[in-house]
Amino acid sequence: SAVISQKPSRDICQRGTSLTIQCQVDSQVTMMFWYRQQPGQSLTLIATANQGSEATYESGFVIDKFPISRPNLTFSTLTVSNMSPEDSSIYLCSVEGLTSGSPSTDTQYFGPGTRLTVL
Amino acid sequence: AQSVTQPDIHITVSEGASLELRCNYSYGATPYLFWYVQSPGQGLQLLLKYFSGDTLVQGIKGFEAEFKRSQSSFNLRKPSVHWSDAAEYFCAVVPGGTSYGKLTFGQGTILTVHP
Repeated sequence: SAVISQKPSRDICQRGTSLTIQCQVDSQVTMMFWYRQQPGQSLTLIATANQGSEATYESGFVIDKFPISRPNLTFSTLTVSNMSPEDSSIYLCSVEGLTSGSPSTDTQYFGPGTRLTVL
Repeated sequence: AQSVTQPDIHITVSEGASLELRCNYSYGATPYLFWYVQSPGQGLQLLLKYFSGDTLVQGIKGFEAEFKRSQSSFNLRKPSVHWSDAAEYFCAVVPGGTSYGKLTFGQGTILTVHP
């Protein structure tokens, strides 16, 4: 499986500000996803990060609030904009579909997550 | 509606005891099924997965899971629990027959292990 890193690992932010979270993979992958895990909750898919095109957002999530970039096959960013305390969550990226080496289609591997606290 | 249910929010077992975590799904066709584990402050680690074939699958850390189509279940088991198994466990599914599918997670089961 690929090695996935996220930056920052955690942050404390003031309401009204924005935070950009980075996800880096050590191998080229076809698909990258962003999930949110609110306190005491399960994971919810925010969007699929598409390389070279706009992300595909799930119901309840919009680009203005969670802009996503994916400039290449190994990197993606998620921005949490105009934050409020309700945005306090763990944000995780996941990847699927190594483009070389052992195939891993249909299986997602997760980064360590970014723990965000909004005051 | 498609859904994944983990009926047990919290389970406590003694070290050395056996473990079974339940997962039920509601999908039109057999989905792809996964179990992930999340240790405190960590991301998710894949324990095992089922796509097709043998309904008893082996995973890492001594875990196994059995797919039962008739019961729409994919329960996770371990014959002897270790203190390091204390974590939160998530069952997840992707609609079968699709690649690069979107994972739907159950609510998670928190496992506490008593010495």
